Amino acid sequence: DQQVKQNSPSLSVQEGRISILNCDYTNSMFDYFLWYKKYPAEGPTFLISISSIKDKNEDGRFTVFLNKSAKHLSLHIVPSQPGDSAVYFCAASRAGNTGKLIFGQGTTLQVKP
Amino acid sequence: KAGVTQTPRYLIKTRGQQVTLSCSPISGHRSVSWYQQTPGQGLQFLFEYFSETQRNKGNFPGRFSGRQFSNSRSEMNVSTLELGDSALYLCASSLDGRENTEAFFGQGTRLTVV
Repeated sequence: DQQVKQNSPSLSVQEGRISILNCDYTNSMFDYFLWYKKYPAEGPTFLISISSIKDKNEDGRFTVFLNKSAKHLSLHIVPSQPGDSAVYFCAASRAGNTGKLIFGQGTTLQVKP
Repeated sequence: KAGVTQTPRYLIKTRGQQVTLSCSPISGHRSVSWYQQTPGQGLQFLFEYFSETQRNKGNFPGRFSGRQFSNSRSEMNVSTLELGDSALYLCASSLDGRENTEAFFGQGTRLTVV
């Protein structure tokens, strides 16, 4: 049972444009959501997070939106840069249990110069 | 501030052997979690340790075990290795694994079982 789903395995955008990565979840007990960026043979790097009490969180070029009623979150990267090319994972955890993250399958983002 | 350190980075073992992987968390972090990444299954949670106690456990067989020491360093052990155990094993640390704070990952240990 895949509780966190990233339905797009890959995404390709032009440099300078917006990248939108999507993530859906099924467990209504999830309370905290995170996005990680990962290069091959390296560990995931934390990008941005959002708590269920918010519907938006921004950090520089990265913005995460949360729609609790739809059980959907998205990561916006504006403007996209070639260095953003990587695999992006969304992860979710239950309240007070952030030591156990449930990950989506990842979306490979390619930003073309 | 040093990040999460995992050793070794690469490991080749034979079927039936056992292996121990090590993780040193960020200083001050008391929660350590382990994950397995494979091409087919993605990133899957193995277990979490806090204050030398296993606090959460994923759906892996008993061949996968772990422990945490008083300095928060953690080890995971896989006994009777199978070919399917070949994966990238990742360790993540966070302050306490309870409050909504991010988990930071190490570089991982690439285990190949032949």
